[in-house]
Order: sequence, then C-alpha cells, then structure tokens
Amino acid sequence: EVQLLDSGGGLVRPGGSVRLSCAASGFPFSHYAMSWVRQAPGRGLEWVAALSGSGGASNYAVSLEGRFTISRDNSRDTAYLDINSLRGEDTALYFCARGWNVIDTWGRGTLVTVAS
Amino acid sequence: FMLTQPHSVSESPGKTVIISCTRSSGNIDARYVQWYQQRPGSAPTTVILQDTRRPSGVPDRFSGSIDSYTNSASLTISGLQTDDEADYYCQSYDDDNYLVFGGGTRLTVL
Repeated sequence: EVQLLDSGGGLVRPGGSVRLSCAASGFPFSHYAMSWVRQAPGRGLEWVAALSGSGGASNYAVSLEGRFTISRDNSRDTAYLDINSLRGEDTALYFCARGWNVIDTWGRGTLVTVAS
Repeated sequence: FMLTQPHSVSESPGKTVIISCTRSSGNIDARYVQWYQQRPGSAPTTVILQDTRRPSGVPDRFSGSIDSYTNSASLTISGLQTDDEADYYCQSYDDDNYLVFGGGTRLTVL
C-alpha cells in the first residue's frame, strides 16, 4: 500500500525555521517526483514546491520568495521541506504528495503554527 | 493563469452534480487537469487524474471531462451520496511546471 507520512510540524516563533519530513512506503520512491502543498486555516490548497525523483530538478511557487527548500534522501525514502524566516501567514497544514504536475497520493498533513 | 470554480453547489441524494473549472488563459486541453476531494477534517484524495482517469478505488460515479469551447474542465458526480459532501479542487499546471489550484467548490448533499 502506498503511504506518505508527514511529520515535523509544531509551534514555531516568527523568524524561526522548521524542517518537515515525508516518509514514503509501498512504492519505488526514487522513481517518483514529490511535492508539498499547504492549506492555511479555512483556505484552499496552495502549491509550494516539487522535486524530481532524482532530486536534480525542482520548482517553487513564485510567491514564496526563496524561504522554502525542498529536498529528498532516496536512501531513506524521505522527502523534506525546509522553511526559514517563518511568518504568521505560513501557518498552515502542510501536505506532502506523490507526483509533480499530476498528484495521485497525499499524506495526512503536518500542522505548522507560527506564533510568539 | 487561474482556475475558477463556483464557491458552492448543492444537490439532493441520488441526483447528478457538475462542478466546473474554467481556465483564464491558455488552452484547457494543453495540460492535464486533476480533481481532488477533501472531506471535512481530512487530507485531499485524488478522484480524477489526467482529465478523465479514475484512480483505483474511485467509484465510476465520478467522471471528468474537458470542453475546449468553454475552456473548462468538469467533474461530474452521479448518484450523489451523503458521503460525497466535501470540498473539490481542480488543478493544472503551466509550461514551466508550476502547479495551479482552483479555489475549491463546497459540495452540499441536501
């Protein structure tokens, strides 16, 4: 069974950093691109970033201003999202997802709350 | 480009509902459209891939289509069940592989 387990969220101070993880199982991880999508409270889905299976190609939502870094460790079947200089508007549920242009599987999400 | 969906739709159990997703610029058939279902308090799940494909486990009551004339995609749900009550999002991408989501449509099954 294909599974994605997101983790790493929590309460973070404004200006702080966080690393989100996405542990994958049930499929050949290195063969698939991975994405992160976020959802602010009461809002819709917003694409954040995507990374190819090899890790050699990536894209980020233009609005995120370079504070986000997507990466992966294919030896650990895990994808990551690093977020720096956190702001209140980054408060959201962050979902990892399998695929890039076409997403077929979603994680349950991990909540990041930015507050002092 | 943007993808525009109605904010909400409602219909009775057993009926059919169609949710539209209109692309603001560029051709709707230039890039695949996906549809995602998000029930309250849950993560999204994929109900339609690549315009018309249903992932394994999605009932055939769900179908997707593309209309080049109106430059829109549609999700049709027939034989509505109370369990179908959810938010539905369309999604596509541009030539540079940036993903775009529609604003979402709240489906109420009365």
